[in-house]
Amino acid sequence: KAGVTQTPRYLIKTRGQQVTLSCSPISGHRSVSWYQQTPGQGLQFLFEYFSETQRNKGNFPGRFSGRQFSNSRSEMNVSTLELGDSALYLCASSFRGDNVLTFGAGSRLTVL
Amino acid sequence: GENVGLHLPTLSVQEGDNSIINCAYSNSASDYFIWYKQESGKGPQFIIDIRSNMDKRQGQRVTVLLNKTVKHLSLQIAATQPGDSAVYFCAENSRAAGNKLTFGGGTRVLVKP
Repeated sequence: KAGVTQTPRYLIKTRGQQVTLSCSPISGHRSVSWYQQTPGQGLQFLFEYFSETQRNKGNFPGRFSGRQFSNSRSEMNVSTLELGDSALYLCASSFRGDNVLTFGAGSRLTVL
Repeated sequence: GENVGLHLPTLSVQEGDNSIINCAYSNSASDYFIWYKQESGKGPQFIIDIRSNMDKRQGQRVTVLLNKTVKHLSLQIAATQPGDSAVYFCAENSRAAGNKLTFGGGTRVLVKP
């Protein structure tokens, strides 16, 4: 079966802009989590969605938001981009949210 | 890859030898632990997991050991192969925290032919 698909794979934005990243989970998976990966901070949890509801949230400012649709696809948005938002954004899905996470390849965001 | 330039601990191992990767965790409430492997340009890939009611679990060529007394986790890879070259992350979770993994900083494994 198809894995977790993230789009776009690469994108470049400038400070102050906003960005939307998309994630299609494995078919049948209802939980989608987002992580930010940077060389300095490593992998950090952003938020988790289950059945269209945000179930858990990490310690990121309100500029980072997300949502989940009825088909379990998820999007995350970062507004008023800062240089420090440059990172690999990883999406992961699981069946119920308490199982092993399957990660996508990530969306690499560069903020200039 | 994402970890280029990051001063990750690096383990250099000869092909065919066994590898041991260590991880310390801090949350006593963590009850679920996972090892992930990340190759350049890819997302983390599940290797093996273990729950806190166990102290050892074996998979294919991999073994995870959990020592709750000292909050230590290790991953042993038998007969390391070139394809094992990657960055390895341990992650912890607790049911109380929900599906929210806390990742360690990672260890880079380089397999020498």
